[in-house]
Order: sequence, then structure tokens, then C-alpha cells
Amino acid sequence: AQSVTQLDSQVPVFEEAPVELRCNYSSSVSVYLFWYVQYPNQGLQLLLKYLSGSTLVKGINGFEAEFNKSQTSFHLRKPSVHISDTAEYFCAVSVDSGAGSYQLTFGKGTKLSVIP
Amino acid sequence: NAGVTQTPKFQVLKTGQSMTLQCAQDMNHNSMYWYRQDPGMGLRLIYYSASEGTTDKGEVPNGYNVSRLNKREFSLRLESAAPSQTSVYFCAGSDRPSYGYTFGSGTRLTVV
Repeated sequence: AQSVTQLDSQVPVFEEAPVELRCNYSSSVSVYLFWYVQYPNQGLQLLLKYLSGSTLVKGINGFEAEFNKSQTSFHLRKPSVHISDTAEYFCAVSVDSGAGSYQLTFGKGTKLSVIP
Repeated sequence: NAGVTQTPKFQVLKTGQSMTLQCAQDMNHNSMYWYRQDPGMGLRLIYYSASEGTTDKGEVPNGYNVSRLNKREFSLRLESAAPSQTSVYFCAGSDRPSYGYTFGSGTRLTVV
């Protein structure tokens, strides 16, 4: 079974500073990796995903993430954050067992607080 | 563009009461899911349905039942609500593991 660890539960950062939200996963098979964002009192919205190919993936709102197979990591980055980026971010992993049944396993989330 | 629709958005129950959370999708997803979200716990899978007519338990199924009525609808039932079931519940749909999920906007349930 796969698992996901988000290494920081809360990350405060000043506006216009860069940010990195860390995510590590464990799986014995190839995985698909996702980052979701949840704004206050809303559902989850897909930021970006890694399926295969280039290890650097770009998403919405200026976010990007880098897949590192040797370190089993999928860290999320943004070079300059805005107040509007204040939200909770979830890393998730799924595997394709080929049996037609699959689920996303989520990390516990990282709350990003952007300080004016 | 409705996507995944959950009803109700808010609900307060007394301990021991029953209720059904409704979820409907118009995206022709084969697979549907119910998660609960609790502070510091992330999202935990309650039940899922890989296709119409099938359901399977997830990580935290105790105290819940589900029905996949047709391809569009996947309901979650609490037969006898307990305070430990106070949570935010999300329904989601998907077609393939590489697609990720489309989430509903959630149901905030409080059991007193």
C-alpha cells in the first residue's frame, strides 16, 4: 500500500517570498502524484499532477513541482507567493493496479499562511 | 457545469439520528468516492465505488453505509450518528488513476 507524508503541517511565509511545501511518498510500484489546494470553506481543486515524462511539472497559479524518484519526493514550489495563496495544500498519490479499482491516498495537509 | 454536487451543505444531527448524504455527478465518472476530512488528519477514505453496482470499504468505514444507485449517484448513510462522526464529508468522482479526482464542495456535519 502507498502512503504520503507532508513534512510540515504549517508554513508561514512573507508575501512575494518563495515557498516550498514538502511531500514524500512510499510505494512499491509506479505512482501518479498530485497536489490539491483547498481554500477556506471550499472543496479541493487540482493544482498539478505528475504522470510520467519530465520531472518538473507546472500547474495553475504559478505553482510547480518536481518529481524525484530516488528520493521519493514531490515537492511543491512557488517563486513568489501572494496573499491569495493562503490555503491548505494536499499531496496525494495513486497507483494503477490494472484491476479497475484505485484510490487516492492523501497526506495530512500543509497550511500555507502568507503574511503581508 | 455542475460537476459533482453534494447535498446538504450543512447539517446538525442529534446523537442516534440517521441521515443520508447525497452526491450526484454529471461527468460520466465510473468511480466515485466518499472521504471525511478532520483537522490534522487529511482526507480519509470511507467507501468507494469502482463502477455502478459495486462498493468497497475504505480506511474508515465503520458507522457508514453507501449506495451506488446508478452511475450518477453515490449516497452515504449514517444509521445512528455519533459525535465522532462530526466532520466535513467530500464526495469525488474519477475515471482513471491518472486523472485525479473531481471533488464536490463538501457537507459539514455536526453531531451533538
